[in-house]
Order: sequence, then C-alpha cells, then structure tokens
Amino acid sequence: DAKTTQPPSMDCAEGRAANLPCNHSTISGNEYVYWYRQIHSQGPQYIIHGLKNNETNEMASLIITEDRKSSTLILPHATLRDTAVYYCIVRVNPNSGGSNYKLTFGKGTLLTVNP
Amino acid sequence: GAVVSQHPSWVICKSGTSVKIECRSLDFQATTMFWYRQFPKQSLMLMATSNEGSKATYEQGVEKDKFLINHASLTLSTLTVTSAHPEDSSFYICSAIRGQRGYTFGSGTRLTVV
Repeated sequence: DAKTTQPPSMDCAEGRAANLPCNHSTISGNEYVYWYRQIHSQGPQYIIHGLKNNETNEMASLIITEDRKSSTLILPHATLRDTAVYYCIVRVNPNSGGSNYKLTFGKGTLLTVNP
Repeated sequence: GAVVSQHPSWVICKSGTSVKIECRSLDFQATTMFWYRQFPKQSLMLMATSNEGSKATYEQGVEKDKFLINHASLTLSTLTVTSAHPEDSSFYICSAIRGQRGYTFGSGTRLTVV
C-alpha cells in the first residue's frame, strides 16, 4: 500500500472549518484514500473514502487533487467532539478481490479543536 | 450500519494468567477480522489477521503462542493473551471488513496486567 504523510498535529477553533492534509505521492491507480479518526480510548471510526472524485457525506468532505498525489479532509464546522487523531490511509478497496486485506496505520494527525 | 462489538471493554488481570477478548460482528458475517494493539500515544499496530475456519496470520514479531486467535464462526473471533505480563498491558482493537466502507472497528479493550 502507498505510504502517506500527515502533519503530526493541528489546531482549529470551534465552529471553523478544519482542513487536514495528506500526501500520498506514490498512490496507485486502483488505490482508494480512506480517512478514519480515533477519539481517545476508542476504536477508529470511519469518516469517508474516495478514489478520484471529491466526496461528501454527513461528517466531512474529501478533496482529492487531480493527480491524486494528495488529499484534504474537511470538517466544515469543527466541534470540541471532533478532537481526535485523524488517519489518512491509502489502499486497494478490500472488496475488490485479492488476498491482502491488511490495513496499516501511520501516525496520523492530532486535531485539537479549541473553544 | 455494520457494528463490531468487542468485549470486555476493560480488564485487569494478574501476571501469569490468561485473558480472552471477544470480537463479534453483529449484523454481518466477517470471514476476515484483524487484531491491533495500541500503546499509549502510539498508532495502531496490526498483530494478526484472523480468517474464519483457518489459522491466523501473524505479523512479524508477534508471538503466536502468546496471542492465540480463534475464528471459529463468521461472527466471532477471539484473542487470548496467555500468561500475561505487565508489558502486555495495552489497548487491543479488532476490526472486520464490511461493505464499501471497508473496515469497521470494535470499541477496544483496555488490558492492564498487574
């Protein structure tokens, strides 16, 4: 799976948009960009994923550059409960077949939302 | 939505005893589950891949005789930490593959060995 690079930490004011960057310059054509977050002492929570088009759901938006070498996760109106470690992971969709289903986590970005 | 239930959420055990952690897929069948370990202020480290009806595949450096994994049904995988020692104290998390979202995670088990 392609390696990702994320800033170790970011701060955001409550109510403002939080933009979390991720670099994945070695991404392959069949690899998706997944975002998860982990609130302290809980299991990771799925946020969003995409292949090449921008995606939006009730939690966030995912902007993927045209060359797919980087992406940005956007939390439009951050709240204190969004304080967490955010992981950007690149890999083949596990439902696409094949035998390597492992999901490997990097260090992620600690987002702190301040009041 | 897809839910993975992990039990117990926390456990304290004496050094030398064994502890079993359960991971259940509540509304779907999971042929493959994963077990992670997370130490304080560190990221999740994959320990092993659990396959229903076959032996688990362990990551390099993970002792298979110490961390016994059983995946006897399509909805249950268990991790048993045998002869636990204080250095095994950690946060253990399971996950399963479900649908387009890919991976669903349990809420984790905090193991403290005293």
